[in-house]
Formats: sequence, C-alpha cells, structure tokens
Amino acid sequence: AQKITQTQPGMFVQEKEAVTLDCTYDTSDPSYGLFWYKQPSSGEMIFLIYQGSYDQQNATEGRYSLNFQKARKSANLVISASQLGDSAMYFCAMREGGRDDKIIFGKGTRLHILP
Amino acid sequence: DSGVTQTPKHLITATGQRVTLRCSPRSGDLSVYWYQQSLDQGLQFLIQYYNGEERAKGNILERFSAQQFPDLHSELNLSSLELGDSALYFCATGGQGAQSEQFFGPGTRLTVL
Repeated sequence: AQKITQTQPGMFVQEKEAVTLDCTYDTSDPSYGLFWYKQPSSGEMIFLIYQGSYDQQNATEGRYSLNFQKARKSANLVISASQLGDSAMYFCAMREGGRDDKIIFGKGTRLHILP
Repeated sequence: DSGVTQTPKHLITATGQRVTLRCSPRSGDLSVYWYQQSLDQGLQFLIQYYNGEERAKGNILERFSAQQFPDLHSELNLSSLELGDSALYFCATGGQGAQSEQFFGPGTRLTVL
C-alpha cells in the first residue's frame, strides 16, 4: 500500500491565486514527520516546509503553509499568492521513527503557474 | 543552498562501466542518505550511513555499494551499469529521527548510453 498519496498529477493555476496541493499519508507510527519539497526543472530538491506529528500548530514558511489534519492523515501544502517561479514538481514526503528513518516520497504533483 | 554538496553534477558513461558519486554532508550532520530518482520508479531510498556505519538499506541493487569515510563524506559506487541505471542520484543529510528535517544535495544526473 502506498504510504504517501498525491492524487493530482498536474495542476494549472493563474498567477497570484492560492494553490492547494493534496497529500494523504498512511502510518501507524505515532512519531513521524511530513515534508514538502519543490523540484524545479533544473532538478534540485528544495526543502519547503516540515510538520512534526506532535506539532499542535500548522507549519508556515513565508508563502507556504501546511494544512495538517492528523485524524484524516492529510498534509496539504498551501501556496499563497502564487508566482511564475512556483512552477515545478512538488513532492510530499514522510519520515517515520525507528532505526530506518528514511524519507518516503509521493509521486508528485506538477504545478504550472499561468501568467 | 542546502549545504550538502554532490559531485559530479553530470555523468555520462557507457553500459558495463563503473562510476563513483560523491556526497559531502552539511557541517555537523552524521547521517547520509542516498536516493535514486528515475522516471519509472520515482524517488526511492537506496541506503543510509550514520557516522561511518551502514544503518539501513532500501531498494539498492547488488551492483551498487556505498561507504562513508571518517570525514563523513560518502561515496556511492555503481558498477556494471545498465541503461536502466540512468537517473538522478541524490544524497541527503540532516538530523536523526522522524522529527528532523532532511536536506538534499543538488544531485548527480547519470546517463548510461
């Protein structure tokens, strides 16, 4: 079973609009971390935002916020006031506890910002 | 800039050859994780080292191996290369445990012809 599900393979959004990228996850571990990464066409993996499973408040980093709904196992990324430079691939990812604390990635959402 | 460095940025080689990818972690990070990003498999975890010792293995082929040196830099060795090994290879470093962030290097794009 997939541990990270991103149901939107691609999205087109008008510049300056807000964007929500969906992500659901599956884990039985009470300690986990959720991440969003941006991968532009140049290929590098840029860390955007992190949410710990014990965090009470939703994480925010500038124009990025993570809408964390623990009971629904949902960790959607919200980008406010989108810009042309936001066009990229976005990956939701999860890290569980234990010795093997690798990151597990979703398949990604390709976001296109239209002028 | 994540503080994680990877060399080379691009590598083009032929089938059957062997290559070495290098990663230097952020200052203070003891762990190095290697990931492979291919078109058909997406992003997959290969192997993790912590302070010189192998800690976890993922979907790493037997033709691939890695090590972490005393100065904490890591090398990923890929041998008997096949066309399907063409991919973007990332290393990442960061704190330990689920509640820690992980930062990625710029990646090495390997093309096997």
